[in-house]
Amino acid sequence: DAGVIQSPRHEVTEMGQEVTLRCKPISGHDYLFWYRQTMMRGLELLIYFNNNVPIDDSGMPEDRFSAKMPNASFSTLKIQPSEPRDSAVYFCASSFREGTGKNTIYFGEGSWLTVV
Amino acid sequence: DQQVKQNSPSLSVQEGRISILNCDYTNSMFDYFLWYKKYPAEGPTFLISISSIKDKNEDGRFTVFLNKSAKHLSLHIVPSQPGDSAVYFCAAIPKTSYDKVIFGPGTSLSVIP
Repeated sequence: DAGVIQSPRHEVTEMGQEVTLRCKPISGHDYLFWYRQTMMRGLELLIYFNNNVPIDDSGMPEDRFSAKMPNASFSTLKIQPSEPRDSAVYFCASSFREGTGKNTIYFGEGSWLTVV
Repeated sequence: DQQVKQNSPSLSVQEGRISILNCDYTNSMFDYFLWYKKYPAEGPTFLISISSIKDKNEDGRFTVFLNKSAKHLSLHIVPSQPGDSAVYFCAAIPKTSYDKVIFGPGTSLSVIP
């Protein structure tokens, strides 16, 4: 089975440019998460969707960040304009909540973003 | 204000010995706790979990202990192997929002051959 697929794996861009990160969740999963990993803050939840609907975007740092999920098999995280402090690894993850309430999520390999 | 804390950024252990990774949490409404393991250049992968109604869960060399009164959990790896060298994230799921998985900052484990 294919796991969560993210692209690009690596992105180097100049400050002020638009960055779009893409994600294909695991088929059949109804939750999709965007996380950001930094040395200072570890894994931060930015936003998550349930059945393509954004549920909680309280972790999105500011208006420069936006995320969409137009269908069950695709999501984007966009940063416009990008800044050097956005440099981090961005993980997409998906899950299917089990009846017990446990929510085991499966991560993609991450998109390494460097803004210079 | 982190709800899930891992106060040791790194840990080194000799191969064959026990590795103990610690995690503290502040929210008594957490219902499930999980440990994820992450190798460099890969995404985190699920390792083991424990429900708040239990105090221990074991899976092979990995055991998670939960002390609810102290709001503390720990992951024990016995015996430690070089392949266990990775970053370990503690995570928690609140009763009020089963959808949300909150991660700690991670502990980097090095197992020395």
